Amino acid sequence: GIQVEQSPPDLILQEGANSTLRCNFSDSVNNLQWFHQNPWGQLINLFYIPSGTKQNGRLSATTVATERYSLLYISSSQTTDSGVYFCAVAVGSSNTGKLIFGQGTTLQVKP
Amino acid sequence: GAVVSQHPSWVICKSGTSVKIECRSLDFQATTMFWYRQFPKQSLMLMATSNEGSKATYEQGVEKDKFLINHASLTLSTLTVTSAHPEDSSFYICSAPRASGRGRQFFGPGTRLTVL
Repeated sequence: GIQVEQSPPDLILQEGANSTLRCNFSDSVNNLQWFHQNPWGQLINLFYIPSGTKQNGRLSATTVATERYSLLYISSSQTTDSGVYFCAVAVGSSNTGKLIFGQGTTLQVKP
Repeated sequence: GAVVSQHPSWVICKSGTSVKIECRSLDFQATTMFWYRQFPKQSLMLMATSNEGSKATYEQGVEKDKFLINHASLTLSTLTVTSAHPEDSSFYICSAPRASGRGRQFFGPGTRLTVL
């Protein structure tokens, strides 16, 4: 099956710093989503981005489908950005919509 | 935006009992829903696909007799953990695609199950 790898696994930043999270996938995908899991476990949709670039405030994401990777940029990080960031991809010609998750990047932003 | 709810948010039960978890899409219909399990410090693992009007599809290694799934309506799927044991303790999360299987998915807040 498809492999989804995220890097780095852990990241510690000072408040105000910028960061880039990477998601590599081993096969063609139908869609790709980025999520932030808050301390209570809720998955928050950040981006639905099978290709191209999107921006939402301090966050932006780019997916280069032909090269099988996606990047999540966080600028001017805040302590509330702390948590686990997951990318997930949907695969399959049957288009079942099943998401395969990467192992996540745990981000800690220090004040 | 699309909202998915889960009930209960947490449950503690004795070993051997069965626990039912509900997943509802509040403002859209979902012919398909997905159930995931997440152990501490780990990623989400897909357990099964819940299909309205037909049997659920289970991922390899997931016991269908252990984890019963019923997609009762276009807005409700239930996961029943039968004869729960401590190793079933986990965080269970459901999701639903809003428009179609190709669409972006929305996740419930999760249910934390602790089996004593």
